Amino acid sequence: EIVLTQSPATLSLSPGERATLSCRASQSISSYLGWYQEKPGQAPRLLIYDASNRATGIPARFSGSGSGTDFTLTISSLEPEDFAVYYCQQRQRWPLTFGGGTKVEIK
Amino acid sequence: EVQLVESGGDLVQPGGSLRLSCAASGFTFSSYWMSWVRQAPGRRLEWVANIKQDQSEEYYVDSVKGRFTISRDNAKNSLYLQMNSLRAEDTALYYCARGTSLIPNYMDVWGKGTTVTVSS
Repeated sequence: EIVLTQSPATLSLSPGERATLSCRASQSISSYLGWYQEKPGQAPRLLIYDASNRATGIPARFSGSGSGTDFTLTISSLEPEDFAVYYCQQRQRWPLTFGGGTKVEIK
Repeated sequence: EVQLVESGGDLVQPGGSLRLSCAASGFTFSSYWMSWVRQAPGRRLEWVANIKQDQSEEYYVDSVKGRFTISRDNAKNSLYLQMNSLRAEDTALYYCARGTSLIPNYMDVWGKGTTVTVSS
């Protein structure tokens, strides 16, 4: 199974700051990586698919990059509603797997 | 409104069975792959199983193979997960999720989940 390791576990930032989240795969997954946002009491929301493609309705401040084993989700300027937990997910190989998550909290 | 609503979660003893249901509305259910994803307390999301539109393909995580069965009824816009031989490690919040139309192994619509607790 492909293991996804996210870092840091927690990111403490202020609104308006730039957030950079990392996801590393245990083996190459080409560009087959997605990112989700999860808020307390809400279902996860797909943000990015195949490393760099924004899902429908996702604001342009969210961007993804990377290929192979190293991937990044960038939030260019944090809005109050962006404070949440972010998960990466690979689709290169069964089983589909998720990272452990990065919590973006208000500093 | 596009919506998925799970039901059927309960407290069950180890070795017991449970059937989860997911009611879909607001979209053409029969056109999408569907998945079950779970999250145990304090742990990461774990994909459990998914099923093709016409039920011709199903995939499972190894830990549930032979114990869980995913199915769907397109006429009823419903997805199911039959869970047998339940173990304590199956305790989790179970989400129903829709695969994206372009790439079905990403999930763009999720329900709010139903809780399964396996304990004596």
